[in-house]
Amino acid sequence: TQLLEQSPQFLSIQEGENLTVYCNSSSVFSSLQWYRQEPGEGPVLLVTVVTGGEVKKLKRLTFQFGDARKDSSLHITAAQTGDTGLYLCAGGDAGGTSYGKLTFGQGTILTVHP
Amino acid sequence: EAQVTQNPRYLITVTGKKLTVTCSQNMNHEYMSWYRQDPGLGLRQIYYSMNVEVTDKGDVPEGYKVSRKEKRNFPLILESPSPNQTSLYFCASSGTGGYNEQFFGPGTRLTVL
Repeated sequence: TQLLEQSPQFLSIQEGENLTVYCNSSSVFSSLQWYRQEPGEGPVLLVTVVTGGEVKKLKRLTFQFGDARKDSSLHITAAQTGDTGLYLCAGGDAGGTSYGKLTFGQGTILTVHP
Repeated sequence: EAQVTQNPRYLITVTGKKLTVTCSQNMNHEYMSWYRQDPGLGLRQIYYSMNVEVTDKGDVPEGYKVSRKEKRNFPLILESPSPNQTSLYFCASSGTGGYNEQFFGPGTRLTVL
C-alpha cells in the first residue's frame, strides 16, 4: 500500500504570510495532484505535476514535484483569507496497471486570519 | 454544465438497513471512484471502475459493493451498514488522456446509528 504523508496537518497564519505544505512518500508516483476543498463541497483540482523536478505556478501558489517523484510541496506567497481551506495531495500509481488508483495524503487545514 | 451528482446529500440510517448512494456524471468519463473522508485520515478510496462492468477494490472496500452497468452511473451499496461506516462519501470521475485528475461530487454525509 502506498502512503502519502502530508504536513503540517493544521496551519493557522496571518494574511500576508508565506507558507509551505509538504507531501512525502517512500513510493514513486506517476503524477502528483493538489486539490483544495471548502466546507460542504468536494475537492477541486488545483494542479497536476508529472515530471521529476517540475515546478508549476498558479498565481501566488507554487507547486513542486521532487526529482525522484516521491514528494511534492505547495508554497503560498502572501496568503489571503480566500486561501483558507483543506489542501490535499494525491499520488497516481506508477505501476501502470492501476490507472484508477489514487492515494491521498491526510490533508492540511489552512486558516488565514485577516 | 459538467458535473458529478450524488444522492442523497445527507442520510441518517440504522445499523443493518441496506442503502444505496447514487452517483452520476455527465462528462462521458471512463473512470469513476468512491472515497470516504474521515478526520485525520484524508480521502480513502473504496472502489474504482475503469469502465462498464469493470471494477476493482481500493484501499477500504470491506462492507461496500459497487456496480457499473452504465457508463454514467456508479452506485455505492451498503448491504448492512454499521456505525463505523459513518463518514463523508465522495464520488469522482476522470477521463482518459490525462493523469486521472478527479472531478468530485458534492459529497454524501452518512450517519449510521
